[in-house]
Amino acid sequence: GAVVSQHPSWVICKSGTSVKIECRSLDFQATTMFWYRQFPKQSLMLMATSNEGSKATYEQGVEKDKFLINHASLTLSTLTVTSAHPEDSSFYICSAPDRDGEQYFGPGTRLTVT
Amino acid sequence: DAKTTQPTSMDCAEGRAANLPCNHSTISGNEYVYWYRQIHSQGPQYIIHGLKNNETNEMASLIITEDRKSSTLILPHATLRDTAVYYCIVRVAGGNAGNMLTFGGGTRLMVKP
Repeated sequence: GAVVSQHPSWVICKSGTSVKIECRSLDFQATTMFWYRQFPKQSLMLMATSNEGSKATYEQGVEKDKFLINHASLTLSTLTVTSAHPEDSSFYICSAPDRDGEQYFGPGTRLTVT
Repeated sequence: DAKTTQPTSMDCAEGRAANLPCNHSTISGNEYVYWYRQIHSQGPQYIIHGLKNNETNEMASLIITEDRKSSTLILPHATLRDTAVYYCIVRVAGGNAGNMLTFGGGTRLMVKP
């Protein structure tokens, strides 16, 4: 099946700094990618939809100025957590649909803000 | 997307079949039943999906009731590596890239030796 990668797999940053997470579709192109956040022992929650060539659309309650999304190409979307705080510590997961609409997930990025 | 209901957790003995139920009584005619699983600290992994016929692949079998209001995922010979959270999701399949997945609570399956 198709492969989606994320980088980094884990990151620790200090409060107030920014962190960028990359999501790549390795063997297919994706005009749309999705970003999810997962807190411990909870399910995945959709944060935003990343659209190549246009602005991302954010779910209710997700601050677009805090979670910057850039869909730079048909194989790359980035999520930047700006001015990170400890409450932003979470597991961030991206997904991308192939041309048949089937979703493939990245391995996730664990962010810890100290 | 239709809402699904799954038991919070289940145990299964290693080597035995694991039967994971899912209720989706409000499923629409054009919605498929999808199953994903998430092993701890990893991204979700696709398992299987179906519309109304039973499906089988190398990982599992999917049994969908005739009225399509519920389904069961069957892992025929569970191993310790099958310990994970299993998510049942109903969605419209096809080439619409806008179809993101909405995750419910899932079932935490613990396979025990």
